[in-house]
Amino acid sequence: DQQVKQNSPSLSVQEGRISILNCDYTNSMFDYFLWYKKYPAEGPTFLISISSIKDKNEDGRFTVFLNKSAKHLSLHIVPSQPGDSAVYFCAASFYSGGGADGLTFGKGTHLIIQP
Amino acid sequence: DSGVTQTPKHLITATGQRVTLRCSPRSGDLSVYWYQQSLDQGLQFLIQYYNGEERAKGNILERFSAQQFPDLHSELNLSSLELGDSALYFCASDQRGDTYNEQFFGPGTRLTVL
Repeated sequence: DQQVKQNSPSLSVQEGRISILNCDYTNSMFDYFLWYKKYPAEGPTFLISISSIKDKNEDGRFTVFLNKSAKHLSLHIVPSQPGDSAVYFCAASFYSGGGADGLTFGKGTHLIIQP
Repeated sequence: DSGVTQTPKHLITATGQRVTLRCSPRSGDLSVYWYQQSLDQGLQFLIQYYNGEERAKGNILERFSAQQFPDLHSELNLSSLELGDSALYFCASDQRGDTYNEQFFGPGTRLTVL
């Protein structure tokens, strides 16, 4: 049972345009969400996060939107640059009281920025 | 460079064997997480240690075990290996161990079971 879903395995966007990556989750206990970026042969790198008490968080070219009622979040990258070509993972977590349960990741979306 | 180191980078072994993967967290980080990424799955959380104690368990098989040592490095032991254990194994670390902050990932160990 996949609790975090990224339904687009890949996405191609022209350089300079907006990239929108989507993520859906099913577990209503999740209260913290993160986006990670991964280049080949490297580990994931943290990009941006959002707490469930917010609906938007911005950091430079990256903005994450959270729609709790729809259990949906999205990552917007504006403007898209060639270096943004990577696999993007959506992740979610909640603190169960007994300890952290690790992050639950989606399967990733491969973003390709076309020149 | 995240500051998290993992060794070895690649490991090729046979079914039925046992291997040990090693991870050194970032300086100052008390918590270590292990994740498995296989071809058809995303990153799957295996287990977490905080300051030497096991804190949380995810989808970790009974054939797998881990520990965190007093110097905070961690080892993931995989035994009775099967073909399906072939995957990338990532270690991550953070300071607080509560996942309400970013985790820093190592470059991973690619395990191939033949």
